[in-house]
Amino acid sequence: AQTVTQSQPEMSVQEAETVTLSCTYDTSESDYYLFWYKQPPSRQMILVIRQEAYKQQNATENRFSVNFQKAAKSFSLKISDSQLGDAAMYFCAYRSGSARQLTFGSGTQLTVLP
Amino acid sequence: DAGVTQSPTHLIKTRGQQVTLRCSPKSGHDTVSWYQQALGQGPQFIFQYYEEEERQRGNFPDRFSGHQFPNYSSELNVNALLLGDSALYLCASSLISGYNEQFFGPGTRLTVL
Repeated sequence: AQTVTQSQPEMSVQEAETVTLSCTYDTSESDYYLFWYKQPPSRQMILVIRQEAYKQQNATENRFSVNFQKAAKSFSLKISDSQLGDAAMYFCAYRSGSARQLTFGSGTQLTVLP
Repeated sequence: DAGVTQSPTHLIKTRGQQVTLRCSPKSGHDTVSWYQQALGQGPQFIFQYYEEEERQRGNFPDRFSGHQFPNYSSELNVNALLLGDSALYLCASSLISGYNEQFFGPGTRLTVL
């Protein structure tokens, strides 16, 4: 079974600074997708960024980028120029190419300090 | 374009009761997935519905059942509620074809006393 591990329960960053959230996963499959979701206090899960395993290039979305290390099964999220609105719980998630469900990590609570 | 909606927002039940949660998918989506998120944890997959049939199921007992209607909306039913069923229940909709990106609703907070 696939597992997703987030080893940082809490992180904090100063406004305008950069922070990196870590995620590792375990799978024997070659076709899969990885995601970072943001869950603010409003509870609505919002997709931040996704990465297809077959793509070597790291995904970027504005201030958000990932460092995808396929051999190491590592998928970290970098948030640049952190803003107060970035404060939320961040979840790393995995989906195999053949299945439809997402497997989530336990989350990292990000605090942005003014 | 309305996103995924869920009702009710909050619900309080007692042990042994039954509960029904409802989800309307994002316009154009044909697939609905349900997740249970216990406090302080990541969501766990319950099951997924497509074409009014359960297509995949996670590690949840038969007390958890669902239904999908012809308009793609869905219900999650939980029988014989236990204290441990207290959680945020998230619905996500997607298209069965292509990339299958899942869009989440705001969830229903269920408290079992």
